[in-house]
This record gives sequence, C-alpha cells and structure tokens, in this order.
Amino acid sequence: EPEVTQTPSHQVTQMGQEVILRCVPISNHLYFYWYRQILGQKVEFLVSFYNNEISEKSEIFDDQFSVERPDGSNFTLKIRSTKLEDSAMYFCASSERGPNYGYTFGSGTRLTVV
Amino acid sequence: AQKVTQAQTEISVVEKEDVTLDCVYETRDTTYYLFWYKQPPSGELVFLIRRNSFDEQNEISGRYSWNFQKSTSSFNFTITASQVVDSAVYFCALNSNYQLIWGAGTKLIIKP
Repeated sequence: EPEVTQTPSHQVTQMGQEVILRCVPISNHLYFYWYRQILGQKVEFLVSFYNNEISEKSEIFDDQFSVERPDGSNFTLKIRSTKLEDSAMYFCASSERGPNYGYTFGSGTRLTVV
Repeated sequence: AQKVTQAQTEISVVEKEDVTLDCVYETRDTTYYLFWYKQPPSGELVFLIRRNSFDEQNEISGRYSWNFQKSTSSFNFTITASQVVDSAVYFCALNSNYQLIWGAGTKLIIKP
C-alpha cells in the first residue's frame, strides 16, 4: 500500500536554529498538508498546499514557517528560528482528490527544541 | 464555528467488552465529512472511516461500527468484543475547507 514517508523520525535542534522537515507524499496525490501535535494534545492544522501554492493556513503558521515542493516529489516544512514551543510531532499528509476524501498521514517527525 | 467534541478523555474496559466512543460536532456547512483516526502508542495516525453528511447509514467493519446521527450532530464509534490491540487514542475529525478540525481524542485502554 502506498505510504507517505517522513524524515527524520526524530530531530533535536537548538532554540533559534532553522529546521527542515521532509515528506514524500504518495506519488499521484495532489493535495498536501502539515499538521502538528504537541505531546498529549489534539492534532492541529498548519497548512494545506495545492497546485504549488498554499490553499489555507492556520494562525499557527506564521512568518517563521514556510512550505515548499522543490522537486515534484518532496514536500518540506521549514521553521526558520525554532522556539521551545515548536516542540511537537509534525505530521505530513497527502490526498488524491481533495480533503473530503480523507488523508494518508506519514508516521510523523518528532521535533524537540532544546 | 466548526468544532468537534470528544467528551470522554479516557475509557478503560476489560478485554471482550464492547465500548462506544462519543463524538459530537458543530458546523454550519450543509455538506461536510467526518472521520475517525486511531493513534496507537507508536504515534502514527491511522485512518479508520470517512462519512459524508448525506449518508446517514450506519457502517460496520468487522468489530468496528459507526453510528452517524445528523439530528444530534453525533458520529459515535463502537468497538465490539474489544481486544488489547485496540488500545490507542481515537480521534474524531470534521472536514472544513482544506483542513481537518480535530477532537481532543479519547484514550482507550483495554485491560487483559
């Protein structure tokens, strides 16, 4: 069964450093998403991406965040200057026909900011 | 406002018992989609079911069943004859535009 692949599985970074989380969505999917889950809390939407542009973003997704699909296969989330409160599990997801049809999630990247 | 409420923070049952996880949602959309996801201790999010607002038929998949009641804005999930492997956090979610609105999750503990 096709998978969404996320790397790394765990990343530790110092506060103020830039971090890039990588995702390879399912190859024929057209819609891409990032969600995050602070430990023990609910899953929160960050951003959706379609046709090479952001479709929607949440209040969490401020100027410190950016997304890119640099080469037609990878989908990245960059955090420019990490804060302690950015520590969370970050999930990438993709969807073939749009958000109404359900997403396939990756296994997540646990980001720890120290 | 779009909102999903899972009032049960944690449920603990003994193996083989049936258990129902509640989900209540709020939306102004006339067309919407509801989802259930499972998050086992390993942390990944596993898709269980998608239901659109026009389809109020209950669904059964093995030991899992879902009861969608538009009149009460509820989409409850029942596990019959629970097993230890069902232990996980279960999330209900509502689709709104390009994002999923998530409930807080219910932690289900199945004791042997």
